[in-house]
Amino acid sequence: DGGITQSPKYLFRKEGQNVTLSCEQNLNHDAMYWYRQDPGQGLRLIYYSQIVNDFQKGDIAEGYSVSREKKESFPLTVTSAQKNPTAFYLCASSRRGHYQETQYFGPGTRLLVL
Amino acid sequence: LAKTTQPISMDSYEGQEVNITCSHNNIATNDYITWYQQFPSQGPRFIIQGYKTKVTNEVASLFIPADRKSSTLSLPRVSLSDTAVYYCLVSNDYKLSFGAGTTVTVRA
Repeated sequence: DGGITQSPKYLFRKEGQNVTLSCEQNLNHDAMYWYRQDPGQGLRLIYYSQIVNDFQKGDIAEGYSVSREKKESFPLTVTSAQKNPTAFYLCASSRRGHYQETQYFGPGTRLLVL
Repeated sequence: LAKTTQPISMDSYEGQEVNITCSHNNIATNDYITWYQQFPSQGPRFIIQGYKTKVTNEVASLFIPADRKSSTLSLPRVSLSDTAVYYCLVSNDYKLSFGAGTTVTVRA
């Protein structure tokens, strides 16, 4: 089955701790994205990557970091600088790196602060 | 990029047609309109995309008037399984803007 996997499904963070969310795709897509979703709000773009070893900040990148060392993988680190990290995090991919391309989303990771 | 505005919620009954309108007054020439469906605790799923006039696929239709300042997603003969949040997205090569979503509740 082709698709996008995210792990873990739930993640708990302690104060001052960095945590990393995993995103893997086997669709052979060039572009990958990270979004944050808060209750009652739409999706907000954190980071995106159009090709391996390249990524750009989205609208709310502060307190987050990413890497894109392999085409299949785009992990997101939520750093201690992100003061309000509790949210539902969604990873997506698209065939090419244009925003009007259809995006395929993973099942999401819910991050909670202890 | 155009800011998108959608109704917060809509109620319907099984077998009815549901129409959700998204406003995007400042849409630019190179912007596309895409709709996604999201069930609780899942990632959104692509429904339909359009640029102008009307687009239809096996699950929905998308109506876009000539001025493109709004778009309407039409779901024919909804069932209970169509209860979900529907997002309007305006995007071009360089930017994207999701609406806040419309919660559609289908009742028996």
